[in-house]
Parts: sequence; structure tokens; C-alpha cells
Amino acid sequence: AQTVTQSQPEMSVQEAETVTLSCTYDTSENNYYLFWYKQPPSRQMILVIRQEAYKQQNATENRFSVNFQKAAKSFSLKISDSQLGDTAMYFCAFMKLGDSSYKLIFGSGTRLLVRP
Amino acid sequence: NAGVTQTPKFHILKIGQSMTLQCTQDMNHNYMYWYRQDPGMGLKLIYYSVGAGITDKGEVPNGYNVSRSTTEDFPLRLELAAPSQTSVYFCASSYELYPYGYTFGSGTRLTVV
Repeated sequence: AQTVTQSQPEMSVQEAETVTLSCTYDTSENNYYLFWYKQPPSRQMILVIRQEAYKQQNATENRFSVNFQKAAKSFSLKISDSQLGDTAMYFCAFMKLGDSSYKLIFGSGTRLLVRP
Repeated sequence: NAGVTQTPKFHILKIGQSMTLQCTQDMNHNYMYWYRQDPGMGLKLIYYSVGAGITDKGEVPNGYNVSRSTTEDFPLRLELAAPSQTSVYFCASSYELYPYGYTFGSGTRLTVV
């Protein structure tokens, strides 16, 4: 069974600074997706970024980028130029391909506070 | 486009009562999911459906039932509510050609007292 671990329950960063959130996962599969979701106080789940395991190039979306280390089973999220609106819970998630369910397996989350 | 709509947004239920959480989507997605999120935790899969008439258990199905009579609707039934079912419930959907493109509802906060 796959597991996703986020070892940082809470983090804090000064506005305009850079912060990195950690995620490790355990799987014997070779084909999968990894995701970072943002959950602001409104509790809406918002996709931040997605990484396909077969791609060596790290995904980027504006100020958000990942460091995907497949051999180490590590998938960290870097937020550059942090903004107050980045304050939220961040969840790392795993999706196995070839599984008819396409279910997401979530980590326990990291609460990020951006300080003005 | 309404996306995924969940009702109600909030509800307080007494121990032993039953209720149905409603979920409907207007995107013609064939995959639908129910997750629960306990305080300070990630989401856990309760049940999922890959199409009308087909449902299957997820990680935490005990105490719940689902049905999928139409593509659009995927209600979650709680029978004999217990305090352990106090949680935020999320419905989500995706399309088989783009299974990674989940659309989440806004959630239902349920308290069992």
C-alpha cells in the first residue's frame, strides 16, 4: 500500500521570502502522479501543481516549483516570493496509474503561515 | 458551470440519527469520490464510483453507504451516526481521460453530538 508522509506540521515564512515544504512517499509502483493541493481557510481544495513520475523535469507553476527525486521518493514544494494569500494548509498527494480507481492518497498536511 | 455541488454545507446530527449528504456534478465526469477530513489531518477515501451503477469501498467505508444511479449524483448515506463520524466531507469528480483533473466540492462540515 502507498503512504504519503509530511513531516512538517507547521511552517512559517516572512512575506516575499522562499519556503520549502517536504513530502516523502512510499510505493513500489513505477507509474504515478504526485500533487500538491492548497486548502485555504475557505476549505476549498485547490490544485497547486502536478508531477508525472515518468518526467524527469521538475514541474513549475509561476511561483511554485517542485523538487522531484524519484529514487529517494521525495517531492518537495518550493514557494518563492511568498504572499499573504499563500497562508493555507498544503497537502501532498499520490495517485497510482493503472489502478481503475484513480484515487488520491493524501499526507497529513503542513500548515503554512506567511507573516507580513 | 456549477462544477461539484455539495449540500448541506453544515449540519449537526444527533447520535443514532441517519442522514444523506448530497453530491452532484454537471461536467459528465464518470469518476466520483467521497473523502473525509478529520481535524488536522489529510483526506481519506470513503467510497468511490467509476460510473453509474458501480461503486466500491475506499479506505474508511464503515458506517457509510453510497449509490450511483445517475452519472450526475453520488449521495453518501450515514446510518446510525456516531461521534467518530464528525468530520468534513468532500465529494470530488474526474473524467477518465484526465483522471488527475479532480474537481472538489466545497465540503460539508458534519458534527455528531
